[in-house]
Amino acid sequence: GDSVTQMEGPVTLSEEAFLTINCTYTATGYPSLFWYVQYPGEGLQLLLKATKADDKGSNKGFEATYRKETTSFHLEKGSVQVSDSAVYFCALRIFNTDKLIFGTGTRLQVFP
Amino acid sequence: DTEVTQTPKHLVMGMTNKKSLKCEQHMGHRAMYWYKQKAKKPPELMFVYSYEKLSINESVPSRFSPECPNSSLLNLHLHALQPEDSALYLCASSQEVQGAREQYFGPGTRLTVT
Repeated sequence: GDSVTQMEGPVTLSEEAFLTINCTYTATGYPSLFWYVQYPGEGLQLLLKATKADDKGSNKGFEATYRKETTSFHLEKGSVQVSDSAVYFCALRIFNTDKLIFGTGTRLQVFP
Repeated sequence: DTEVTQTPKHLVMGMTNKKSLKCEQHMGHRAMYWYKQKAKKPPELMFVYSYEKLSINESVPSRFSPECPNSSLLNLHLHALQPEDSALYLCASSQEVQGAREQYFGPGTRLTVT
């Protein structure tokens, strides 16, 4: 079945460091891919999305490119801030359904 | 505006109580969802309503009963819950039938069963 694999956390960085959080997927058909962010005590916020191969999603300095050849959707940011500290979930929508499959989540901690 | 609201924010209930969680969206979205999230875990899908009809039930125990009274409102009725049902309950909605069908989440109701 469809699945999402994310790198284990926590990821600990200093402010202004470069961020990569790896995400790979297994899917049949043509899934849509998403990154969601969850701040402590809150719900999930949609960070960015991509619907087809080579699409690049971007928002608030975060980017991810839908790579069909490597089945990946890695999240990147050039310069992280303390306020980016949160849990990041990679997710795919199973083709032709309303079902989202989430990765296990990666906690990011950014220190001043 | 992409706001989904949920009430209450926190709920403590005994195992013999009956309570309800409420979710509202005024974005005209055609699908609404209930998820359960345990600490340090991703959300798990429970139910999906599409055009006010139940389209997905992920084999959820009958002590959880969803209801969609209209296109803007989604309820989750709770009865005879167990302590292991304590979790963050998230509601979400989505509009598109084609394309990404991204889901927008509410802030959640933190449920404690005593």
